[in-house]
Amino acid sequence: AQSVTQPDIHITVSEGASLELRCNYSYGATPYLFWYVQSPGQGLQLLLKYFSGDTLVQGIKGFEAEFKRSQSSFNLRKPSVHWSDAAEYFCAVGAVAVTQKLVFGQGTRLTINP
Amino acid sequence: KAGVTQTPRYLIKTRGQQVTLSCSPISGHRSVSWYQQTPGQGLQFLFEYFSETQRNKGNFPGRFSGRQFSNSRSEMNVSTLELGDSALYLCASSLAGQGSTQYFGPGTRLLVL
Repeated sequence: AQSVTQPDIHITVSEGASLELRCNYSYGATPYLFWYVQSPGQGLQLLLKYFSGDTLVQGIKGFEAEFKRSQSSFNLRKPSVHWSDAAEYFCAVGAVAVTQKLVFGQGTRLTINP
Repeated sequence: KAGVTQTPRYLIKTRGQQVTLSCSPISGHRSVSWYQQTPGQGLQFLFEYFSETQRNKGNFPGRFSGRQFSNSRSEMNVSTLELGDSALYLCASSLAGQGSTQYFGPGTRLLVL
């Protein structure tokens, strides 16, 4: 069965500092991996996705993520965070070729200190 | 292109009642999926519809049901509401081909009293 673990429930960083959000997945085949962001009271916005090819994926808002098969990880990074990045971030895995079902991690809430 | 729309945005019901939520996908998208989001359980997959057929179903009781119409719009229904059904219900649409991305709506916030 697919599963996703986001080890950090809450992270606080200072504005301008670098960010790394961790995501580990369990899946029997090559996974399709996603990072979504959710602002309070809002739906989910796709930041980036990995299906195949280059393991370093660029997304919107200056985010990137690296797929590491050997570590079953898909960590999200940003070199310099902005106050507007404060939100909840979700990593998800899917078998998109078969079904659109996504399995989500529990999320990481990001707080930005001014 | 308009995004995924969900109606209503907020809903208050009492235990035992039933509720119907609506989702209009992005134009051209044929797959619609529903998710329940709660603080305790996080985001959980309810079901997926493609071309009016349920293609996949999550681990929810039979009180949760859905359908999709020929124009790809989808509804989900929850009968005999329980307090634990209070949640944000999110709808997502996609083209459903290999490598396609799901786009989420703003959700319907359901409160069961």
